[in-house]
Amino acid sequence: ETGVTQSPTHLIKTRGQQVTLRCSSQSGHNTVSWYQQALGQGPQFIFQYYREEENGRGNFPPRFSGLQFPNYSSELNVNALELDDSALYLCASSFPPGTGGAAGELFFGEGSRLTVL
Amino acid sequence: DQQVKQNSPSLSVQEGRISILNCDYTNSMFDYFLWYKKYPAEGPTFLISISSIKDKNEDGRFTVFLNKSAKHLSLHIVPSQPGDSAVYFCAASENSGYALNFGKGTSLLVTP
Repeated sequence: ETGVTQSPTHLIKTRGQQVTLRCSSQSGHNTVSWYQQALGQGPQFIFQYYREEENGRGNFPPRFSGLQFPNYSSELNVNALELDDSALYLCASSFPPGTGGAAGELFFGEGSRLTVL
Repeated sequence: DQQVKQNSPSLSVQEGRISILNCDYTNSMFDYFLWYKKYPAEGPTFLISISSIKDKNEDGRFTVFLNKSAKHLSLHIVPSQPGDSAVYFCAASENSGYALNFGKGTSLLVTP
């Protein structure tokens, strides 16, 4: 069984640039969520994708956008990067709520650490 | 605003003793609560959960207690082992499996 994989693991960007982070879901999972974890904080929900559509979003501006592909892999795009976007970005896959596994059980990747200078 | 709070950034416990990690929440609409464990350079991993209709859930050495009136939950680890040393995150959701709200985490160190 393949776990959640994310790429790249580390990257450095400058303010104003754009970044794309990638995630491959765990085998059998068709729901993907993205979280932002700033230093010293817990993960914060960005959005969730199910069947290639966004079906929930946290308190993040529109410059944070995503995609889910037919193979359930996903991308997180951030435009016009700001210094405060520096964080660990975590992707998590899961079964749709109520369809399998423990409710709320997310399977996280190791994350992509983004530094904005 | 932080709806899930873990007020102890760190905890040190001797091997074999009980570890108690605490978590408070402010949103009365939360109906599902979870604990995740995170080792350095790894993503968080699910540990144990509890529904708001229960007040206790046990899984081996791990027990989660929920006090809805106090909006408080706790994770008990008995007996604690050095391999339990990690950061523990408390999380809650309004509808199971969707948009988890995490606390800032408590770093547990279990010493031999």
